[in-house]
Amino acid sequence: AQKITQTQPGMFVQEKEAVTLDCTYDTSDPSYGLFWYKQPSSGEMIFLIYQGSYDQQNATEGRYSLNFQKARKSANLVISASQLGDSAMYFCAMREGTAYNTDKLIFGTGTRLQVFP
Amino acid sequence: DAGITQSPRHKVTETGTPVTLRCHQTENHRYMYWYRQDPGHGLRLIHYSYGVKDTDKGEVSDGYSVSRSKTEDFLLTLESATSSQTSVYFCAISGTGGATQPQHFGDGTRLSIL
Repeated sequence: AQKITQTQPGMFVQEKEAVTLDCTYDTSDPSYGLFWYKQPSSGEMIFLIYQGSYDQQNATEGRYSLNFQKARKSANLVISASQLGDSAMYFCAMREGTAYNTDKLIFGTGTRLQVFP
Repeated sequence: DAGITQSPRHKVTETGTPVTLRCHQTENHRYMYWYRQDPGHGLRLIHYSYGVKDTDKGEVSDGYSVSRSKTEDFLLTLESATSSQTSVYFCAISGTGGATQPQHFGDGTRLSIL
């Protein structure tokens, strides 16, 4: 069963607008972490933001915030005030792991965001 | 930037030849990982290491082997490369285990097998 689902293969947003990238996940492990990565056209993977399963508040990092709805098993990335440099592929990932040595990162298939002027 | 160096960055080789990719880190992190990235699949874990000489299989380990004789180096070997192993390979590192730690990635190796 697919554990991370990103249903939007592509998204468009106008510069300075906010955009939400969807991510749903599936796990029976009570302890898990959710991560978002950005992959620009140059190819590197850039860590953006982290949300822990026990965190009471939604994570924020600058213009990035995570809309974490635990009961719905969703962890959507919100980018505020989009910039042209935000155009990239975005991956949602989950790391399960209360047991030793089982902390593998599971990725979704990604959403390609294009920001236009 | 996390001190992760992947080599080579690009490689073209022929079916049936052995290939070794190297990941070198300067962070003294315990955990190291190899992923492959293919269109429509995101990143998939091949093998990982949780210490020197301690490795385990990931989701797509068939046809790959790994070795870690030093904390800083994690090698991925394709014993006899096949065209299905054409991909972009990423190494990642993490300081500790557990669900709270992000993994930081190298810049990737683009491998083409003809």
